[in-house]
Order: sequence, then structure tokens, then C-alpha cells
Amino acid sequence: DVVLTQTPPTLSATIGQSVSISCRSSQSLLDSDGDTYLNWLLQRPGQSPQLLIYSVSNLESGVPNRFSGSGSETDFTLKISGVEAEDLGVYYCMQATHAPLTFGSGTKLEIK
Amino acid sequence: QVKLQQSGAELVKPGASVKLSCKTSGYTFSTSYMSWFKQIPGQSIEWIGMIYAGDGGTGYNQKFKGKATLTVDTSSSTAYMDLSSLTTEDSAVYFCARDYPFAYWGQGTLVTVSS
Repeated sequence: DVVLTQTPPTLSATIGQSVSISCRSSQSLLDSDGDTYLNWLLQRPGQSPQLLIYSVSNLESGVPNRFSGSGSETDFTLKISGVEAEDLGVYYCMQATHAPLTFGSGTKLEIK
Repeated sequence: QVKLQQSGAELVKPGASVKLSCKTSGYTFSTSYMSWFKQIPGQSIEWIGMIYAGDGGTGYNQKFKGKATLTVDTSSSTAYMDLSSLTTEDSAVYFCARDYPFAYWGQGTLVTVSS
């Protein structure tokens, strides 16, 4: 199975600070169809996961544009440009290029 | 609007089975896929498998073959997951989510396996 390694495991940020989360894959996530099926999700405390970014860099409808995704092959980044209080929770990267779908171990964002 | 309403929390004994439901509305169920996920509290998320509501075709994570069985009832736009031979390791929150890239999730069902 594809292993996704997220760093850091925990992130502490002040309101307005910009932060980045890294997700590294044990295999290339570039599919034979040319797409790269790497998504980012946020799980707020006590809630279901929420899709933020799909296919590396596509912002899901309704998600604030302070969230952005980048990367290729095995190295991906989620950036939050100006953290807000509602952004606290656990961020997961998830890949769907290779079966079975797998998730990273998560990055917990705390607000100082 | 799209809604996925999951069944309530379950307390089951080891060795028993349980059937979870995910009732949908707001979209065409019969032409969509439904995936199921497992999350032990405080841990990451695992993909269990998916089912195509159109023909009941399924795909499973090898880890959950024999443990989970996915079905659908198109007449009620509801997806189901049977979990069998439950052990304490099956205690978790289970989520359903519609169609990749999973923009829509149910609220989760907590399953507690305890004697």
C-alpha cells in the first residue's frame, strides 16, 4: 500500500500566520491518465472530514482561497495563507491513484 | 442539498455482526458510488471499500475483505455496510462518503464492541 508521510505532526499558529503542511508519498501519485489523485481534507474536532483540495491544487467549492495545494509525483504541500480560528483541526492528505486509497497520519493545527 | 444521514451508535458484543446504514438525499443515488471509511478515535482514516449503486458492483480494501460487506437499496437511496465477527479492534467511527473526491460525508456512526 502507498504510505503517505505528513509533517509536522503538530503545528501551532497565531491568527494571520501562514503555515505549510508536507505530504510525501512512498510512490509517485501521477496516474497513467495524467492526473494526480492527491487530496487534502480537514477534520474539525468532533466532525466528519471536509474536502479542501483535490487533484493536488484544485480548491473545492466553498473552501476559502487562503487554502492552496501544490506539488507533484511524491512531494506535496498544503499552504494556509493567513490562519483563522476556524482552521483548527487535523489535516489529512489522501491518495486515490493506487488501490487501496490511503491517508496520511494527519497534522494537528492548534491556534495559539 | 446533498445529505448523507448515518444510523445511530451501536454497542455490540464480540463475535456479533452489525449493519450500518447511510441514507441519502439530494442527488441521483442510482448513478453514484459510495465509499466507507473507518476511524479509530485519535487515529487516521482507513478506506474500507466502495460500491456502485447502479449495479451493486463493489471494490474492497484487502484488509477488510471478509469483515465488511457493502450493499445498497436503490428504492430508499440507502447504502449499507455489514460488519461481521466483531472484535474490539472493530470499535471505531465509520463514515460513508459519496463519489470521489469525497466532497460529501455522513456524520459517522460509532461502533463499540464490548462484552
